[in-house]
Amino acid sequence: EVQLLESGGGLIQPGGSLRLSCAASGFTFNNYAMNWVRQAPGKGLEWLSGISDYGGSKYYADSVRGRFTISRDNSKNTLYLQMNSLRADDTAVYYCAKDTINGDYGVRYFDSWGQGTLVTVSS
Amino acid sequence: QSALTQPASVSGSPGQSITISCTGTRNDVGTYNYVSWYQQLPGKAPKLIIFDVSNRPSGVSHRFSGSKSGHTASLTISGLQAEDEADYYCSSYTSRSTAVFGTGTKVTVL
Repeated sequence: EVQLLESGGGLIQPGGSLRLSCAASGFTFNNYAMNWVRQAPGKGLEWLSGISDYGGSKYYADSVRGRFTISRDNSKNTLYLQMNSLRADDTAVYYCAKDTINGDYGVRYFDSWGQGTLVTVSS
Repeated sequence: QSALTQPASVSGSPGQSITISCTGTRNDVGTYNYVSWYQQLPGKAPKLIIFDVSNRPSGVSHRFSGSKSGHTASLTISGLQAEDEADYYCSSYTSRSTAVFGTGTKVTVL
């Protein structure tokens, strides 16, 4: 059974930094691209970033490019999201999601999701 | 990349069929058949219910079906049941190799 467990969320002041982690199990981690998706309170889903199976290709939404960095450690079966220059509108539940392809040519579908970690940006 | 456009809400009575539209552009839905749909029950993570416009993952009810015409994809729920009450999101691959979600549709079973 695929399991994805996000961690690292919490309360952070505007302008601060935070690193989210997503521990994966139940599948061959280095065979699939991985993604981060967020959902602001009461709002819709927003795809943020994706990374190919071995990390050679990375993709970002315009809203976070230059502020957020996606990475992965296949030896630890873990996905990361480094978030810098955080703003109030970054407040959301952040989900990691497994892709259905290896990601060499972009991201595709999200067939497994974690339960999410809440990031609150506030002074 | 702007979000795909979905109706904010759709409702129907048990047993009826409803359809949710998802309108994009030539940079996403209009060019690629990599359209997917997700069901999000209250307080839960989203679940993939349709991929490649019209394919269902194993275990997803046959009551869910998808289609596409031009720049608009659609999700139809047949034989509506109380358990279908949820938020539904479409998503598409884009010309920048990224993904974009729709604005989301709340389905209410009357």
